[in-house]
Amino acid sequence: NAGVTQTPKFRILKIGQSMTLQCTQDMNHNYMYWYRQDPGMGLKLIYYSVGAGITDKGEVPNGYNVSRSTTEDFPLRLELAAPSQTSVYFCASSYSASSRGNSPLHFGNGTRLTVT
Amino acid sequence: GENVEQHPSTLSVQEGDSAVIKCTYSDSASNYFPWYKQELGKGSQLIIDIRSNVGEKKDQRIAVTLNKTAKHFSLHITETQPEDSAVYFCAASIHRVDGGSQGNLIFGKGTKLSVKP
Repeated sequence: NAGVTQTPKFRILKIGQSMTLQCTQDMNHNYMYWYRQDPGMGLKLIYYSVGAGITDKGEVPNGYNVSRSTTEDFPLRLELAAPSQTSVYFCASSYSASSRGNSPLHFGNGTRLTVT
Repeated sequence: GENVEQHPSTLSVQEGDSAVIKCTYSDSASNYFPWYKQELGKGSQLIIDIRSNVGEKKDQRIAVTLNKTAKHFSLHITETQPEDSAVYFCAASIHRVDGGSQGNLIFGKGTKLSVKP
């Protein structure tokens, strides 16, 4: 199993450009998440999904959009990139709610995005 | 909402020494506390977790303690090794068995642990 796969690994965007961060998992997990990690700030939840066709906002959703058309894929869309969106983005998945304890988060290796 | 504070932000120890990382949480309803390890260039991995009905949990060289009254929990790593060098994140969440809140994890800011050979 590949686990959680994110692409691209690195990207530089100009202000106002748009892009989609791809995330796919092959573990048949119901729950998927997008986090951003800023230096010294920990992981902040952007959006999450509890199953195909269902998405919900996390702590910091502004400036982002997501979709969940299949169980496997959970792309994150940036429509008008801003310098404040410079960060490392992590996609994660879990079989059920991460708070259950027997359903740990499985993270991808991250996408380092710079907006200039 | 929940707020998780983590200290220290950086920690340097000699190989073989112990390392302790502490976290405090604000919401007394939180009942699940995992610790994740993030190695350089990789995503985080769960290393140990504890529920509020348990005061301590141990897995080989790693242990976690929980003080519900004081609302803090700690990660203890004994006999540290160079491969323990990483960023460690604590987290807290509320799991409701009635299926209410999804109980998303709230993470601390992380501790960069360096183990010197």
